[in-house]
Amino acid sequence: GAVVSQHPSWVICKSGTSVKIECRSLDFQATTMFWYRQFPKQSLMLMATSNEGSKATYEQGVEKDKFLINHASLTLSTLTVTSAHPEDSSFYICSARDGRNSPLHFGNGTRLTVT
Amino acid sequence: AQSVTQLGSHVSVSEGALVLLRCNYSSSVPPYLFWYVQYPNQGLQLLLKYTTGATLVKGINGFEAEFKKSETSFHLTKPSAHMSDAAEYFCAVSGGNTPLVFGKGTRLSVIA
Repeated sequence: GAVVSQHPSWVICKSGTSVKIECRSLDFQATTMFWYRQFPKQSLMLMATSNEGSKATYEQGVEKDKFLINHASLTLSTLTVTSAHPEDSSFYICSARDGRNSPLHFGNGTRLTVT
Repeated sequence: AQSVTQLGSHVSVSEGALVLLRCNYSSSVPPYLFWYVQYPNQGLQLLLKYTTGATLVKGINGFEAEFKKSETSFHLTKPSAHMSDAAEYFCAVSGGNTPLVFGKGTRLSVIA
């Protein structure tokens, strides 16, 4: 079945550096990808919707300049956390679908720890 | 480790009928359980969640779910379906400090 791969699965970085997280659809073309943030013991928060070839749509309260999203191809979307701070430490999860009425597939998540 | 099984990839009900979407989970630690809904071209929306305490959880739009540890289930129900409930529903489990693990989803159709 369809698989969404996230990389890396976990990353530790120093405060002030940038981190890039990749989300790939392995056997389908993902016209839309979603990026979520999950805080410990809490639910997901939708950060942005990424459509191939166009700018991402960010949810209210999400800093566009801090969380850069690029959906350059139908199989790859990237989330870059710029100038990371300890409060950015979280799980980041992506999901993707290959069409309006097709199933949604989730990545395994990326655990970001900023020291 | 956690896993989720949603029984039935597609459920169809008549308007006004009971909605029952099934979710079974496995978890090596006390689970945190969630139900999400997704409408076409939108992101996930949280319907309800169970963390601790009361096992019957009420959510938005008239949905509720009951955590049954003995059955490792967290089924989602609504007494009376409405046309606007047609969407895709996802059950998810977390160990608290672990990423959410999602089921494959159940598409709910509501027939007038």
